[in-house]
Amino acid sequence: DVKVTQSSRYLVKRTGEKVFLECVQDMDHENMFWYRQDPGLGLRLIYFSYDVKMKEKGDIPEGYSVSREKKERFSLILESASTNQTSMYLCASSSPGVTTNEKLFFGSGTQLSVL
Amino acid sequence: GEDVEQSLFLSVREGDSSVINCTYTDSSSTYLYWYKQEPGAGLQLLTYIFSNMDMKQDQRLTVLLNKKDKHLSLRIADTQTGDSAIYFCAESFGSGNTGKLIFGQGTTLQVKP
Repeated sequence: DVKVTQSSRYLVKRTGEKVFLECVQDMDHENMFWYRQDPGLGLRLIYFSYDVKMKEKGDIPEGYSVSREKKERFSLILESASTNQTSMYLCASSSPGVTTNEKLFFGSGTQLSVL
Repeated sequence: GEDVEQSLFLSVREGDSSVINCTYTDSSSTYLYWYKQEPGAGLQLLTYIFSNMDMKQDQRLTVLLNKKDKHLSLRIADTQTGDSAIYFCAESFGSGNTGKLIFGQGTTLQVKP
């Protein structure tokens, strides 16, 4: 069974802390994405990566960075957490295909609270 | 820029049909998608339609695409309580297989017994 695993389901951090959100996929997918989900706003793309050591900014990259040292792992880093980064974070992966590159497989999400 | 709009909430009775609507702005999108999010879970791909199609049917699901009006809808026939979830419409970001999607706000479907 294919899987995208996010290391934590719930996280509580303090303002100013450095926060790491980890995501691992076992499908040998090239593409990996980090979204944040907020009520009434849907999903917004933070960063994505098409290959190891490659990263590109999404729509809302400010305050975040990412790391992709291995194909299966994509980490989201909050350098100095702030209360407006309290959100549900969703990791996803996909693979270039014949018909569509956009069949995303999602993890269950990490609900981050910054106090 | 690209934008996808959905209404936020829909309530139906079990056994009725549900219709969830979506409008999008990027006419170059190759595919349009419907994703489903059940409580406490990530999103799952429900169905998708190629932009040169008008309709796609998959069991209880019917997707209608009006490319002129940039309007997409998802019809669920014989809606069940297990269909209660948040439904997201999504379009490709630009042309080509970029792998990036623009999501709508999500429509919460409530199914009453």
